Amino acid sequence: NAGVMQNPRHLVRRRGQEARLRCSPMKGHSHVYWYRQLPEEGLKFMVYLQKENIIDESGMPKERFSAEFPKEGPSILRIQQVVRGDSAAYFCASSPRVKGGGYEQYFGPGTRLTVT
Amino acid sequence: DQQVKQNSPSLSVQEGRISILNCDYTNSMFDYFLWYKKYPAEGPTFLISISSIKDKNEDGRFTVFLNKSAKHLSLHIVPSQPGDSAVYFCAASVKGNTPLVFGKGTRLSVIA
Repeated sequence: NAGVMQNPRHLVRRRGQEARLRCSPMKGHSHVYWYRQLPEEGLKFMVYLQKENIIDESGMPKERFSAEFPKEGPSILRIQQVVRGDSAAYFCASSPRVKGGGYEQYFGPGTRLTVT
Repeated sequence: DQQVKQNSPSLSVQEGRISILNCDYTNSMFDYFLWYKKYPAEGPTFLISISSIKDKNEDGRFTVFLNKSAKHLSLHIVPSQPGDSAVYFCAASVKGNTPLVFGKGTRLSVIA
C-alpha cells in the first residue's frame, strides 16, 4: 500500500511565478490536508479537502493561494505570484473517513518551495 | 495564540536511558492527541496517539501519558536509541476528521 505521494520534492520559482504542488493520498483515503512548515516552526494547517469539496480553508492566506481535490487525479495546492515569504516546506496528509473518534493523518515527504 | 506548546526546543539523552518529551495544550475541546517523529527532509511519521478517554497508551518502547486536568501530555521512550534522534511533534485535534494543531517540536538527540 503506497504512502502519500507528493511531487515535486523540490521546486524553485522566481518571484511572481506560479507554483503547483501535487499530492496523491494513500489508497482508500478520502480526506486530504495541506500544511506548511516555516523554518524552526511547527506545521501549520492550511486547507482540508474531500473529493470535489473544500471542507475547511481557514488556514489559507486569502489571496494567491488555492487548493482543489478533483474527482480524478491528485490534490493540487496552487500559489500564484509567489513571494519570498512563500518559501517553506509544504506537506500533504491523508486520512480515511472516520465516524467520530480519533484518527491518524499520514504525511507525504513534502515539497520544498524556494522562491528566488 | 499557540494552542499546543512544546516548551523544550531540544533534549539530549544517553543511549539506553529514558527520553521524556512534554507537551501542553490550552484548548479544552481537544480530545485526540498524537505524536509524530520527523527526520530532516522527510515528512512527519506517526508514532502513537491517545484519546481523551484514556490516560495512557503504550506501543513498544513508546508510551504516551495524558493528564486532562493539567492539559498536559508526555511521550516516554524507553530505552532510547541513537535512531530515535529526530524532531518530535505533539499534535492535537477535536474528534473526527479535523485538522491537527501542532506544537513547534522538540529536537531529541540520543548520544551513544
